[in-house]
Amino acid sequence: ETGVTQTPRHLVMGMTNKKSLKCEQHLGHNAMYWYKQSAKKPLELMFVYSLEERVENNSVPSRFSPECPNSSHLFLHLHTLQPEDSALYLCASSQDGVTGNEQFFGPGTRLTVL
Amino acid sequence: AQSVTQLGSHVSVSEGALVLLRCNYSSSVPPYLFWYVQYPNQGLQLLLKYTTGATLVKGINGFEAEFKKSETSFHLTKPSAHMSDAAEYFCAVSEGDTGFQKLVFGTGTRLLVSP
Repeated sequence: ETGVTQTPRHLVMGMTNKKSLKCEQHLGHNAMYWYKQSAKKPLELMFVYSLEERVENNSVPSRFSPECPNSSHLFLHLHTLQPEDSALYLCASSQDGVTGNEQFFGPGTRLTVL
Repeated sequence: AQSVTQLGSHVSVSEGALVLLRCNYSSSVPPYLFWYVQYPNQGLQLLLKYTTGATLVKGINGFEAEFKKSETSFHLTKPSAHMSDAAEYFCAVSEGDTGFQKLVFGTGTRLLVSP
């Protein structure tokens, strides 16, 4: 595997389900990000982990719970979601401490909440 | 606070025509600027970036962008469009000097290329 991978690629869940999204980066980076991409809206930064510590939480509802067990893996735990949470969830990684370094994105998980 | 404005949610060109996608930003400090491309059912891929130095930046697939501080712009161009360029393009700005790079994205411009 190379780059940033995300599983599953597609997920359909009911409002009472609990599921998790997984992201893995194979680039040796030390920062990881979760974004939400909805139609006709800019990408929304949800969470940032730097050196496995959460450094940003952009007023995301508690039904989204991130976890970063090590610098290569990032999870997004989902529970009691709402239909408006249906979106493409993108994971990204970058190398902290290097100015102007770009983020590398995974292919995303397309989430549908029924 | 930083912000990015991309004029035109859709741009249509003919194959072989000039591509021009507009991006204006606001930033209180010298910015880092990025263009990303997203093909259907894929994540974002970096096209090019400006950090410091030369204001004309060349990227992949024949794209380039020019940083114009006086106009707070970072427009993306390509001399001759190809059918494979049809995708969504995102401009982003970062003020991150150290630590993680917090990117602020524009709303995107969908490029349509007709034969």
